[in-house]
Amino acid sequence: EAQVTQNPRYLITVTGKKLTVTCSQNMNHEYMSWYRQDPGLGLRQIYYSMNVEVTDKGDVPEGYKVSRKEKRNFPLILESPSPNQTSLYFCASSSPTEQYFGPGTRLTVT
Amino acid sequence: GQQLNQSPQSMFIQEGEDVSMNCTSSSIFNTWLWYKQDPGEGPVLLIALYKAGELTSNGRLTAQFGITRKDSFLNISASIPSDVGIYFCAGPSVGYSTLTFGKGTMLLVSP
Repeated sequence: EAQVTQNPRYLITVTGKKLTVTCSQNMNHEYMSWYRQDPGLGLRQIYYSMNVEVTDKGDVPEGYKVSRKEKRNFPLILESPSPNQTSLYFCASSSPTEQYFGPGTRLTVT
Repeated sequence: GQQLNQSPQSMFIQEGEDVSMNCTSSSIFNTWLWYKQDPGEGPVLLIALYKAGELTSNGRLTAQFGITRKDSFLNISASIPSDVGIYFCAGPSVGYSTLTFGKGTMLLVSP
C-alpha cells in the first residue's frame, strides 16, 4: 500500500529546543516536500527535494532545515523552534503524475 | 510566488444539494488538481486535470480545466454528509516538485 508516514503525529515543545519530524515514503518517489497549514493561509510549501542530496526552499523556509540522505526519508528539522512555528505540518511524496500526503504532525511551541 | 484564489471560503448546504466552487490564478497552469482534506487527515487527491477545456468526473464530482488555463471548477452533485471537509485546488510545477495551493473551501453538509 502506498504510504507516507510522519512521526510524531503530535508534539508540544518549548521555544529553542531542537526537534526533528520524520517523514518516510514507500513508493520510491524522487520528489518529497514539506508543507505547513495554518488557518486562513492554506497549505504553504516549506522545502522540497527533487532527489537524494537535492533540496530547495519553498515559500516559507525560514526557521527550518531539511536533509535527503536517502530516497525514502525527508526529515524536517527545527533547530530553534519559536511559537510562530506552531502549525500543522504535512510531508508529501510525489511522482510526475501523483502526489500523496502524510497524515500530518501537529506541533505546538510554547 | 504564484497565487491561487479559491472561492467561496466556506459553504453550508443541505444534504442532496449540488455544490460548485472555483479557483482562479493570475498565471497559467498546465495541470490543475483538486484535493479534499478530512478533519485530522492530510489532503487526498480527488481529480487531476491535464488539458485546457478538459471535463473530468469522479463519481459525484466533476471538475473542469478552464480554456484560459487560469481557472478551474469543481462541482459536487447530490451532496451527502461525508462530503464535509476542506476542498483545495492546487497547481503544480512541472514534475510536481512544487505545488501551489488555494486557501481552501470549507464545505459543511447538514443531514
